[in-house]
Amino acid sequence: AQSVAQPEDQVNVAEGNPLTVKCTYSVSGNPYLFWYVQYPNRGLQFLLKYITGDNLVKGSYGFEAEFNKSQTSFHLKKPSALVSDSALYFCAVRDDSWGKLQFGAGTQVVVTP
Amino acid sequence: AAGVIQSPRHLIKEKRETATLKCYPIPRHDTVYWYQQGPGQDPQFLISFYEKMQSDKGSIPDRFSAQQFSDYHSELNMSSLELGDSALYFCASSLKSGQGETQYFGPGTRLLVL
Repeated sequence: AQSVAQPEDQVNVAEGNPLTVKCTYSVSGNPYLFWYVQYPNRGLQFLLKYITGDNLVKGSYGFEAEFNKSQTSFHLKKPSALVSDSALYFCAVRDDSWGKLQFGAGTQVVVTP
Repeated sequence: AAGVIQSPRHLIKEKRETATLKCYPIPRHDTVYWYQQGPGQDPQFLISFYEKMQSDKGSIPDRFSAQQFSDYHSELNMSSLELGDSALYFCASSLKSGQGETQYFGPGTRLLVL
């Protein structure tokens, strides 16, 4: 069984400040972890993924995520948030190299000017 | 770059009617996934196909069926529609090669059942 928790329904941050969106996971095998972003009335856009290797993964639009095996976390980060980063962010996991994704509940990010 | 295409983008149906959603994967992608996202909810996996064969099945009602065709496009057929079927339906495609396939999502079909 696999599950994902995103403990924050909403994250508020001022433009230019660091942004962190939290995600913890539970899988029976090796985790394959993903972050997607959803803008209003749009599909899910892939940001980045962790498969193996370096714990710090760099993705699109200046986002990065840090895999922490001991804490079973995969937090999404951006050093300097933009107003245009305001969107709904989903963390997802699976326990195999392919197959269905299990999504977290999503975190709404609001970046204020 | 070509993306996943879904049609129609919006669909309004009455209760007990049928609906067909179509998905055209990214060229050369061999795998298609269907997800349902209810209002304010996370996407839930419905069903997937690899090389035209069903590869996995999730919480898909018996009233729904799907298939993948020889050109790799997929269709989700929904019958006896209920109010609770109103949702955003996503199709995602991927290429099953190597490790850690990435699913690329289409824009979704927003279904409203009245």
